[in-house]
Amino acid sequence: GENVEQHPSTLSVQEGDSAVIKCTYSDSASNYFPWYKQELGKRPQLIIDIRSNVGEKKDQRIAVTLNKTAKHFSLHITETQPEDSAVYFCAASKPGGFKTIFGAGTRLFVKA
Amino acid sequence: NAGVMQNPRHLVRRRGQEARLRCSPMKGHSHVYWYRQLPEEGLKFMVYLQKENIIDESGMPKERFSAEFPKEGPSILRIQQVVRGDSAAYFCASSPPGSRVTDTQYFGPGTRLTVL
Repeated sequence: GENVEQHPSTLSVQEGDSAVIKCTYSDSASNYFPWYKQELGKRPQLIIDIRSNVGEKKDQRIAVTLNKTAKHFSLHITETQPEDSAVYFCAASKPGGFKTIFGAGTRLFVKA
Repeated sequence: NAGVMQNPRHLVRRRGQEARLRCSPMKGHSHVYWYRQLPEEGLKFMVYLQKENIIDESGMPKERFSAEFPKEGPSILRIQQVVRGDSAAYFCASSPPGSRVTDTQYFGPGTRLTVL
C-alpha cells in the first residue's frame, strides 16, 4: 500500500544553522507533496507544498526539493530560529486518489 | 472567514460510551477529511466525505466507527462503545468544491478524546 517514510524522527540544531528533513514515498503516481508544521497542542498548518511538475520551490527561509526518479522529497529550513521548533510532517497524494498519506513526523528542536 | 471549526475541543468518555465529534468546514468548502493522531505519532487518514456521500473510508476501523456529512450541518465522526485505545486527537480538514485531494486541506483545531 501507499507509504511515506520520514527521517529523522528527531532533529536538534543550533539557532542559525540549517535543518533538513527527508521523506520517501512508495507510490510513483503521487504528484502532490505538502509539508505541515504542528506546534504542541495545535493544528497542523501548511507551510509549503510542491507538485510533481517542479523540482524545487522556495519561500523565504523554507525550501522543498523533489526527486521523482528516486521518489524522495526534502524540506530545508535555513537560519533556524527557536520559533521553528515544532513537529514537521511530510505528506503525499496522487490524482484520482482521495487519501493524503502522512509521514510519522520530525520533532525539530532549535536551541538558542 | 472562519476557519475549520471542531467541537468539542476536549471530550472525556468512559469505556463503553459513545463519542460524537463535530466538524464544520470552512465556508464554501464541501470536502471533509478526518484524521486520527495518536500521542507522539503522525496523522492517519480515516475517511473522506462530500456532502451526503462517503467517498473513501478505507482508513476507518470496520467496527464502532462511522462518519457522515449531511446536507445541512456539520460532519460527524461517531465512535460507539469507546475503548481506551480510541484516546487520541481527531482532526478534520476541509477543501473547496471541485478540488481533488491535491488541493490544500485546511485543518481544524482538533478534538482530544480521552477514554477513562
